[in-house]
Amino acid sequence: DAGITQSPRYKITETGRQVTLMCHQTWSHSYMFWYRQDLGHGLRLIYYSAAADITDKGEVPDGYVVSRSKTENFPLTLESATRSQTSVYFCASSEPGHGGELFFGEGSRLTVL
Amino acid sequence: QQQVKQSPQSLIVQKGGISIINCAYENTAFDYFPWYQQFPGKGPALLIAIRPDVSEKKEGRFTISFNKSAKQFSLHIMDSQPGDSATYFCAASMGNFNKFYFGSGTKLNVKP
Repeated sequence: DAGITQSPRYKITETGRQVTLMCHQTWSHSYMFWYRQDLGHGLRLIYYSAAADITDKGEVPDGYVVSRSKTENFPLTLESATRSQTSVYFCASSEPGHGGELFFGEGSRLTVL
Repeated sequence: QQQVKQSPQSLIVQKGGISIINCAYENTAFDYFPWYQQFPGKGPALLIAIRPDVSEKKEGRFTISFNKSAKQFSLHIMDSQPGDSATYFCAASMGNFNKFYFGSGTKLNVKP
């Protein structure tokens, strides 16, 4: 099916462990984004990418690493997870020529113990 | 510093009533203002959007009102239905859509 697929949907890990959240899109959209959703904060941009091999920081990038070697994939890595990174993470994509609409995945719920 | 401020945090409306959610922004460079709707367990989805060259945009029961001088915009849901129960986010963007700033969200509950 076309769209954005995030994996895993649920993950429990421990403080200090490395975690990678995967994101795959089938539309060949140029832009991809990672947001985290926390109660009272809405959606906050972590990193975004305008094309393969081009990434840039968003509002809350500390503690996260991204890469984009292929247009369709945009993994997010927490190199040493902390409890404050417990959140729901959303990947999104967009194509500016289509009015800038963001297409979101269904989210990955991460719990750091 | 939050770029877009949204209120209220939660809202309860009777079926058939009007739901109103408000947002305010400071950066006058913003030129695109979408609203996203999110159901539990799902990602947000675009509901309706407006640009600052118009004061109102209507799509079905959903209307955005935009006040450029006050730097405020709001979502009105007419004849609210239980199926409208969701979390709503306002957002703002500028230029080439590479960054969207979201409000903190409003959880709407429409009572049958």
